[in-house]
Amino acid sequence: QKEVEQNSGPLSVPEGAIASLNCTYSDRVSQSFFWYRQYSGKSPELIMSIYSNGDKEDGRFTAQLNKASQYVSLLIRDSQPSDSATYLCAVLAYTGGFKTIFGAGTRLFVKA
Amino acid sequence: EAQVTQNPRYLITVTGKKLTVTCSQNMNHEYMSWYRQDPGLGLRQIYYSMNVEVTDKGDVPEGYKVSRKEKRNFPLILESPSPNQTSLYFCASSLLAGASAEQYFGPGTRLTVT
Repeated sequence: QKEVEQNSGPLSVPEGAIASLNCTYSDRVSQSFFWYRQYSGKSPELIMSIYSNGDKEDGRFTAQLNKASQYVSLLIRDSQPSDSATYLCAVLAYTGGFKTIFGAGTRLFVKA
Repeated sequence: EAQVTQNPRYLITVTGKKLTVTCSQNMNHEYMSWYRQDPGLGLRQIYYSMNVEVTDKGDVPEGYKVSRKEKRNFPLILESPSPNQTSLYFCASSLLAGASAEQYFGPGTRLTVT
């Protein structure tokens, strides 16, 4: 089992809909959780970080964390075609040093 | 402009010819890291550095070396490249080497080893 798992997609949603992206992780010493967006041919860019259980909202984005279920999600409200990209879930774990583990990413297509 | 730079952006080389990919950040970040990205496997951490002269292995360190002699620079060295090191490489940095390590990525280096 991979340490950080994401559905590879593609996930296709119509413009204006809510896109829901999910991530599960297996490492119980994970401390921090991040969502990055990566456009084709570009480098990843940080969208959200979340460190404690519950929801964290930033504009159209909401990150949700449930440590007991080892589950983190990203909701994108009012999805736009410009949101079409690959979304990477990342987990930061302390194992004597701070190691970052990425999921393979979910491709999102927002149809105009 | 705050940024992470990598050079070269593209490199084609032959098996066994030593190469170095440079990474530099101008944000006074403590934490720096190298990743490789391969289709279907996502980003995998090669090495990371929590501060000057402090480096540690990530998940896929075999065949790579790093050094951190200055805070701003974190070069990746391939002593004897092999075709299985053909990949897209990213350098990243974050302000602190802690739980709030939100990373900023360089533009990437596409390496082909023939």
